[in-house]
Amino acid sequence: SYELTQPPSVSVSPGQTARITCSGDALPKQFAYWYQQKPGQAPVLLIYKDIERPSGIPERFSGSSSGTTVTLTISGVQAEDEADYYCQSADSSGTYYVFGTGTKVSV
Amino acid sequence: QITLRESGPTLVKPTQTLTLTCSFSGFSLTTSGVAVGWIRQPPGEALEWLALIYWDDDTRYSPSLKSRLTITKDTSKNQVVLTMTNMDPVDTATYFCAHRRNDSGGYSWFDPWGQGTLVTVSS
Repeated sequence: SYELTQPPSVSVSPGQTARITCSGDALPKQFAYWYQQKPGQAPVLLIYKDIERPSGIPERFSGSSSGTTVTLTISGVQAEDEADYYCQSADSSGTYYVFGTGTKVSV
Repeated sequence: QITLRESGPTLVKPTQTLTLTCSFSGFSLTTSGVAVGWIRQPPGEALEWLALIYWDDDTRYSPSLKSRLTITKDTSKNQVVLTMTNMDPVDTATYFCAHRRNDSGGYSWFDPWGQGTLVTVSS
């Protein structure tokens, strides 16, 4: 089955930049989406279609894509950004949804 | 404003069938392009997509769980129901329903999500 691979954890100091990668063979064909999940809460959409940011999401969150890897960048990390982050995409045919393995960001 | 809320049993026994209901407001599942999905998350683990139902009754299922899942909708009640048969302790998880957003290019994502409901499978 299709998989999206993320690093298990990323540690960053306040004010620094955190980069979270997500790798998958179908990413050159399918867009990626990023969600933030804080403990005990539902995931919240951060980035859609690789680089688009929904209204209400701080500008410090940005997305990029290159080949089979997409990246979520958090610039000027704040303590409140400590959370789990998941990428999501689809298989190459666009039929099935897939979530990444998740990355815990520690600030 | 779109909201979703999951409901169902908090405890089921192994081999039983789980039935979860997603009650939503702020959109209609009779509108072209609209869909609702189910996603689960075992404690301390990653998200796993389970199923999706479209406004036209078309459905999609996770290939690994397809034989155990059924997703249906009741548009008169603004509800989507997920059933999962032959429950096992490994199915212990928080189950989320989510509104599927899409654009004119056919690309789609989940936003927003319900708060989730924890289902424990134990005898």
